[in-house]
Amino acid sequence: SQQGEEDPQALSIQEGENATMNCSYKTSINNLQWYRQNSGRGLVHLILIRSNEREKHSGRLRVTLDTSKKSSSLLITASRAADTASYFCATEDSGGSNYKLTFGKGTLLTVNP
Amino acid sequence: ETGVTQTPRHLVMGMTNKKSLKCEQHLGHNAMYWYKQSAKKPLELMFVYSLEERVENNSVPSRFSPECPNSSHLFLHLHTLQPEDSALYLCASSQDTSLGYTQYFGPGTRLTVL
Repeated sequence: SQQGEEDPQALSIQEGENATMNCSYKTSINNLQWYRQNSGRGLVHLILIRSNEREKHSGRLRVTLDTSKKSSSLLITASRAADTASYFCATEDSGGSNYKLTFGKGTLLTVNP
Repeated sequence: ETGVTQTPRHLVMGMTNKKSLKCEQHLGHNAMYWYKQSAKKPLELMFVYSLEERVENNSVPSRFSPECPNSSHLFLHLHTLQPEDSALYLCASSQDTSLGYTQYFGPGTRLTVL
């Protein structure tokens, strides 16, 4: 069953603007990961945040996790046209198998030059 | 490049054909995965192998048959597929199946079943 659900489904912004994508999930998790997928290609891991962490940074990426609200957000600052891709959150559920990631449907981000 | 390769990148097959998808990882990982990605649906986990043993078969129809001859190679054998099996098939690997390991994905095979 689907765990992570990204919001919005699609986002279009201008280069230089910030992009924020949200993910909500339903059950307790061990960690939450964000992945990026360019059109028709494989997924690339961006960042992992553990359930006891609230915020994490990696370059222009900032991820927050609120376990009380069962939600996470991915912020991309100073966006570039090359950031155009689909972004997925994936949860590793605390009650499930360790290796099992449950993905959402993704947010399609378009950054216009 | 993520260190995970998949061949072929594109495959068109009829419903009576038999074909195989190949995945190879050059990362020294012990776990490998097959996922199916269909349009407008979340990524679906199909199979998981850990140290060449299958640890998960996620209710996948028998027309999909995985094979893991060693920890670097993973195959997905296809026979008598249906048009609804058309999708992007993604292979991934991770260090092992323990908590919190990142999965590294290949570029995928775009499969079209006519």
